[in-house]
Amino acid sequence: AQTVTQSQPEMSVQEAETVTLSCTYDTSENNYYLFWYKQPPSRQMILVIRQEAYKQQNATENRFSVNFQKAAKSFSLKISDSQLGDTAMYFCALIWGAQKLVFGQGTRLTINP
Amino acid sequence: GAGVSQTPSNKVTEKGKYVELRCDPISGHTALYWYRQSLGQGPEFLIYFQGTGAADDSGLPNDRFFAVRPEGSVSTLKIQRTERGDSAVYLCASSVSREDGYTFGSGTRLTVV
Repeated sequence: AQTVTQSQPEMSVQEAETVTLSCTYDTSENNYYLFWYKQPPSRQMILVIRQEAYKQQNATENRFSVNFQKAAKSFSLKISDSQLGDTAMYFCALIWGAQKLVFGQGTRLTINP
Repeated sequence: GAGVSQTPSNKVTEKGKYVELRCDPISGHTALYWYRQSLGQGPEFLIYFQGTGAADDSGLPNDRFFAVRPEGSVSTLKIQRTERGDSAVYLCASSVSREDGYTFGSGTRLTVV
């Protein structure tokens, strides 16, 4: 079975700092995709960044970047120059041929002014 | 529409009652997914539609839960004889391809009293 584990239930940093959220996963598939989603209090899950497993280059979207370590099955999210609006729950997710996302337990991130 | 729309936003019902939750996906998205999110947890898969048919309903917890998508667009999640343990946020998502990730609605918060 495919699993996703987020070992940090909560994190808190000061505005403008850099923060890294951890995620590990387990899959026997070779062709899969990894995602980070943000869920603010509005409840809507917002796609932050995605990574294709067959690409070695780490994905980057503005202030958000990932460190994808395929052999270690690790997929961490780095947020640079953190902003108050980054405060939310963050979920790591995995999808493979069965076409259903599997989510981790989430990390509650708080950016303090 | 521009996004995935879910109605109602909140639903309070009495134990034993029947409820229907509606999802209106993005126009042209053939894949539609239902997830359930309990407080403080990541979303858990319920059912996946490709067009009108349920391609994977392995996440439905028991036969009190049923979902339809008769015309390949709007979907309804139906819960019979509701129990207090059914209280959660029910999220709907749609997608064109797994590589692009899913677009989620804001969910329906169901409270069974």
